[in-house]
Amino acid sequence: AQSVTQLDSHVSVSEGTPVLLRCNYSSSYSPSLFWYVQHPNKGLQLLLKYTSAATLVKGINGFEAEFKKSETSFHLTKPSAHMSDAAEYFCVAVAGGTSYGKLTFGQGTILTVHP
Amino acid sequence: EAQVTQNPRYLITVTGKKLTVTCSQNMNHEYMSWYRQDPGLGLRQIYYSMNVEVTDKGDVPEGYKVSRKEKRNFPLILESPSPNQTSLYFCASSLDGRLYNSPLHFGNGTRLTVT
Repeated sequence: AQSVTQLDSHVSVSEGTPVLLRCNYSSSYSPSLFWYVQHPNKGLQLLLKYTSAATLVKGINGFEAEFKKSETSFHLTKPSAHMSDAAEYFCVAVAGGTSYGKLTFGQGTILTVHP
Repeated sequence: EAQVTQNPRYLITVTGKKLTVTCSQNMNHEYMSWYRQDPGLGLRQIYYSMNVEVTDKGDVPEGYKVSRKEKRNFPLILESPSPNQTSLYFCASSLDGRLYNSPLHFGNGTRLTVT
């Protein structure tokens, strides 16, 4: 069985300051990991993905995430927050082995950006 | 335009009245899946399908049925809806269930209320 835990349900930052959204996972296999973003009343959009290549992954809109196997973490960062980054963010794991197709989402982190 | 289409967008029904939420994609994707989104719980996978005639349970399949008779369609069926199935539902598709080379494409969601 796999699980994904997003350590903060809400994160609040000021515009121009760094963003850190934390995600830990547990899995029997090496999972593929993703971050998705959901803006209000919209569907989900892929930010970035880790699929066992480089451990530091760059995504859209200046977001990055680093896969740390020893810490079972996949935290999302951005050097400087913009107002348009305000949204809900989901960390997602895709099972490996014989369970391809089974996805587990974290509980979500709501990012608020203050002017 | 490449898209995942869900219908209806909003649905209010009564306990026990069978309903179907349709999902259709025009991208020739092999993989399709259903999720429900509840506050504080993130998205939880209900069912997924790696290909035509192949479906598997996600984390919360109880009370739901699916079928995949054609590649493009993946309807979600609630045979006897109950109030605890009141939720926001998303359908998603991808080239394959490993999501290595193709992200999940989400529909716009169906907000279901069961009274």
